[in-house]
Amino acid sequence: DGGITQSPKYLFRKEGQNVTLSCEQNLNHDAMYWYRQDPGQGLRLIYYSQIVNDFQKGDIAEGYSVSREKKESFPLTVTSAQKNPTAFYLCASSINGGRAGNEQFFGPGTRLTVL
Amino acid sequence: KNEVEQSPQNLTAQEGEFITINCSYSVGISALHWLQQHPGGGIVSLFMLSSGKKKHGRLIATINIQEKHSSLHITASHPRDSAVYICAVRQETSGSRLTFGEGTQLTVNP
Repeated sequence: DGGITQSPKYLFRKEGQNVTLSCEQNLNHDAMYWYRQDPGQGLRLIYYSQIVNDFQKGDIAEGYSVSREKKESFPLTVTSAQKNPTAFYLCASSINGGRAGNEQFFGPGTRLTVL
Repeated sequence: KNEVEQSPQNLTAQEGEFITINCSYSVGISALHWLQQHPGGGIVSLFMLSSGKKKHGRLIATINIQEKHSSLHITASHPRDSAVYICAVRQETSGSRLTFGEGTQLTVNP
């Protein structure tokens, strides 16, 4: 089955530790995205990648880092510099990052709690 | 003021009722999306539209580009429709990036 997988579904970390969230897609999509969702707020874009080996900052990139070494994988690292990392993180992909009108497909999300 | 505003924030209905969720935006767009998020958190795309009206089963989405407004209608609502409904717009100048509304929490009681 084609789709987007995120693991794990729930993640707990101690304050001050870096943590990496996994996102894999087998849809052969060029573009991938990371969003953060907080209660009472709309999804906010952290980073996006339009093509392998390239990525751009979104609206709230501070304290996060990404890599895009393979087309199917776009891991997100939440660093200790992120002041309020506890949130629900969603990964998405679309066929093409540059063209308007492409639908985004979302993964199931990872709920990160920093203790 | 958010670029994408949804109303109402919360909506409770009885099974069988006709439901309308509204979305207004203040920017030029190339497309508008309606998304559904279930309690587990996963998001499903319901519609993508740039003009007119689309229908899928009991769901209908309309958009008025001149008024910068879209509505999502659910006919004969059912408890399984209970979810958060999210409006998102693709701005004309932002390629594939989306700007999201805060969502509308819908609860349909039996």
